[in-house]
Amino acid sequence: AQSVSQHNHHVILSEAASLELGCNYSYGGTVNLFWYVQYPGQHLQLLLKYFSGDPLVKGIKGFEAEFIKSKFSFNLRKPSVQWSDTAEYFCAVKTNAGKSTFGDGTTLTVKP
Amino acid sequence: GAGVSQSPSNKVTEKGKDVELRCDPISGHTALYWYRQRLGQGLEFLIYFQGNSAPDKSGLPSDRFSAERTGESVSTLTIQRTQQEDSAVYLCASSITSGGTDTQYFGPGTRLTVL
Repeated sequence: AQSVSQHNHHVILSEAASLELGCNYSYGGTVNLFWYVQYPGQHLQLLLKYFSGDPLVKGIKGFEAEFIKSKFSFNLRKPSVQWSDTAEYFCAVKTNAGKSTFGDGTTLTVKP
Repeated sequence: GAGVSQSPSNKVTEKGKDVELRCDPISGHTALYWYRQRLGQGLEFLIYFQGNSAPDKSGLPSDRFSAERTGESVSTLTIQRTQQEDSAVYLCASSITSGGTDTQYFGPGTRLTVL
């Protein structure tokens, strides 16, 4: 069975600080990896995804994530966070069988 | 419609009552997913549909939970004899297909409170 682990439950940063949110997954086969974000009062929405090709993927709002197969990791990064990045971030794994497995989420608070 | 919609947005019920939650996916999306999110926790997969069939029901917590989809469109999640531990936000998502690379588009959720 697949599982997803997000190491940080709550991260607090000041504006302009760099961000890295950890995500590790457990699954032996081919996976597709996603980061979703939920801004306060809004729906969950896609931030970025990886399914093949360049392991460094870029998403919206300056976010990027790197797939490291040997480490079963898909960490999310942003060089300089803004107050508007305050949100909850979810890492998810999807196999080709349709089911998605989500991590428990990381709440990011950016102080102005 | 423009996005995934769910109704009701909030539901308060008494323990032992049945509830029905509705999801309207994005038009043309053949795959539909139901998740449960308890307070402070991640999304827990319940069931997904490809068309009107449900290839994976492995996430349904008990036989009190059931879901159906008709016309490759609307889906309803029914919880019978609700218990307090059923209190959660129930999220619905749809995607073009159930393929591994397809993005899921989420609805606003239904917040269920069982007293």
